[in-house]
Amino acid sequence: DAKTTQPNSMESNEEEPVHLPCNHSTISGTDYIHWYRQLPSQGPEYVIHGLTSNVNNRMASLAIAEDRKSSTLILHRATLRDAAVYYCATTGAGSYQLTFGKGTKLSVIP
Amino acid sequence: NAGVTQTPKFQVLKTGQSMTLQCAQDMNHEYMSWYRQDPGMGLRLIHYSVGAGITDQGEVPNGYNVSRSTTEDFPLRLLSAAPSQTSVYFCASRPRQGMGNQPQHFGDGTRLSIL
Repeated sequence: DAKTTQPNSMESNEEEPVHLPCNHSTISGTDYIHWYRQLPSQGPEYVIHGLTSNVNNRMASLAIAEDRKSSTLILHRATLRDAAVYYCATTGAGSYQLTFGKGTKLSVIP
Repeated sequence: NAGVTQTPKFQVLKTGQSMTLQCAQDMNHEYMSWYRQDPGMGLRLIHYSVGAGITDQGEVPNGYNVSRSTTEDFPLRLLSAAPSQTSVYFCASRPRQGMGNQPQHFGDGTRLSIL
């Protein structure tokens, strides 16, 4: 399974875009890239996932590098409610299992 | 929809005691899994199941047992609790089809302390 690495923490000003990076250099061609976020005392919440093409949904955008060795979660306008730990994860080849990174704690400054 | 429900939310055990962490989902998901979350370690997979009667080990299975008799329920058993099992435990579910192309739904966790 691909190992993912993320920065421990990041800061953003409120209402500015946030780019959260993730490296997954050992990813295989069939592995999906997932992002989840976790608020204090809650379970992880699904944000977005993709395989090769960039993806957009109501919560965020996912930009996947052409070689798929890295990806970036984009929050277009950070709000105070976006302060959370963001986890990048990949699926094993041909499996259901997710392998999580250690997460990036995002702080949003009013 | 309740989604994924975990009980209890908090539990304190003494070393050597046994207990079962409950997980139930009402979304008719075939795939269910258990993770533990420790500070600075992210989430690590303990056991998973792709359907009733089928279970398999994840990354950190030692000290834990699971069974899957129904689609809805996937309990996690600690037979003889150890301090190293102090952690926050999360249950998750997702539809079976689509392999990695499906999001997982998580419960709110069970916070377990072993003294």
